[in-house]
Amino acid sequence: GQNIDQPTEMTATEGAIVQINCTYQTSGFNGLFWYQQHAGEAPTFLSYNVLDGLEEKGRFSSFLSRSKGYSYLLLKELQMKDSASYLCAAMDSNYQLIWGAGTKLIIKP
Amino acid sequence: SQTIHQWPATLVQPVGSPLSLECTVEGTSNPNLYWYRQAAGRGLQLLFYSVGIGQISSEVPQNLSASRPQDRQFILSSKKLLLSDSGFYLCAWSVFSGGPYEQYFGPGTRLTVT
Repeated sequence: GQNIDQPTEMTATEGAIVQINCTYQTSGFNGLFWYQQHAGEAPTFLSYNVLDGLEEKGRFSSFLSRSKGYSYLLLKELQMKDSASYLCAAMDSNYQLIWGAGTKLIIKP
Repeated sequence: SQTIHQWPATLVQPVGSPLSLECTVEGTSNPNLYWYRQAAGRGLQLLFYSVGIGQISSEVPQNLSASRPQDRQFILSSKKLLLSDSGFYLCAWSVFSGGPYEQYFGPGTRLTVT
């Protein structure tokens, strides 16, 4: 079957670095997506990886290892506004997104 | 630029009543359109997707239905709501134009069935 696993909740301190892990199993693979979702709002697209390696976009970076079925989202210089849920999603061979349940990130001052 | 609209933003409906949620996309042609539901504290559940007018694929058997009467319009309906239909309904669009095919979401409709 198809499955995405990510931690339910993480806590970090303002100004610090946090890494949110995601493992996936899909029928075929057409990329790994990360979305940010603030409470009560719609998800917004953060990053996409289809090749192995690290993609950096400002304070946010995303890493992919296709052989391990593993990705992580790295958030640097954490700000209070980064408090949100982070959703990992893998695209299968039919170009459908398989979604994880999301990781709630709590930032403490 | 592309924008996606959903309405209403919130809705409280009694069990057994009908439902109609509408989603429209501007600034793109022939998008793929999606309806998702998100229960409180949970991930996204794909309900329906459409690759063109009148083409609907259902992912989860339920008392909901979807229609796409126009290229950029996607409607989610029910004849009789159940308590379990409560949730956050999200419409999304994507375009297959060489990748990466990310989906963009509308603001969502929060439905409470009482």
